[in-house]
Amino acid sequence: GQQVMQIPQYQHVQEGEDFTTYCNSSTTLSNIQWYKQRPGGHPVFLIQLVKSGEVKKQKRLTFQFGEAKKNSSLHITATQTTDVGTYFCAGPNQAGTALIFGKGTTLSVSS
Amino acid sequence: EAGVAQSPRYKIIEKRQSVAFWCNPISGHATLYWYQQILGQGPKLLIQFQNNGVVDDSQLPKDRFSAERLKGVDSTLKIQPAKLEDSAVYLCASSLDRDSLKTQYFGPGTRLLVL
Repeated sequence: GQQVMQIPQYQHVQEGEDFTTYCNSSTTLSNIQWYKQRPGGHPVFLIQLVKSGEVKKQKRLTFQFGEAKKNSSLHITATQTTDVGTYFCAGPNQAGTALIFGKGTTLSVSS
Repeated sequence: EAGVAQSPRYKIIEKRQSVAFWCNPISGHATLYWYQQILGQGPKLLIQFQNNGVVDDSQLPKDRFSAERLKGVDSTLKIQPAKLEDSAVYLCASSLDRDSLKTQYFGPGTRLLVL
């Protein structure tokens, strides 16, 4: 069945270092969404990418959607302790009605 | 704007017992989702409602799980009887409609522990 995969599963960085998580889909996606879940919290929507090759920035966060619309990445520049959490990518199912989430990348940051 | 409300926040039961979770979506949101999130994994869709109708329940273990959204607003998810592997966080989410381009807003979740 359709799968959304993320790597790495875990990443630990020193505060100020950069961080990147990668997302790959087994099928072409009409769009991809990114969510952040703080420890003990619930997923919170970050951004949605729709166009092939699209790049969007939110302050220190840069999101990319691959040319083939099967992969995406999230890059955080100069991480801060507030960036701690699990980052999920999610793409629509075949019917386009629901999201399939990756397993997430858990980021820890030490100061 | 009030967010998605869920209750209870925590529940501990013994295996073979029954449990029910409640969700109140954001006002005006036609689409409601129930997800199961096992520790260390991403949310997995259990069931999706559009108003009071079921859109997708292909991943719902129907021998023990049931859900309803009778008036197209609040929803309840029930497990009967519970198994140890049902221990997870049950997340409710809502969106304006079923279009996957619409943002999903998640509630705080119900943490279920089955002993």
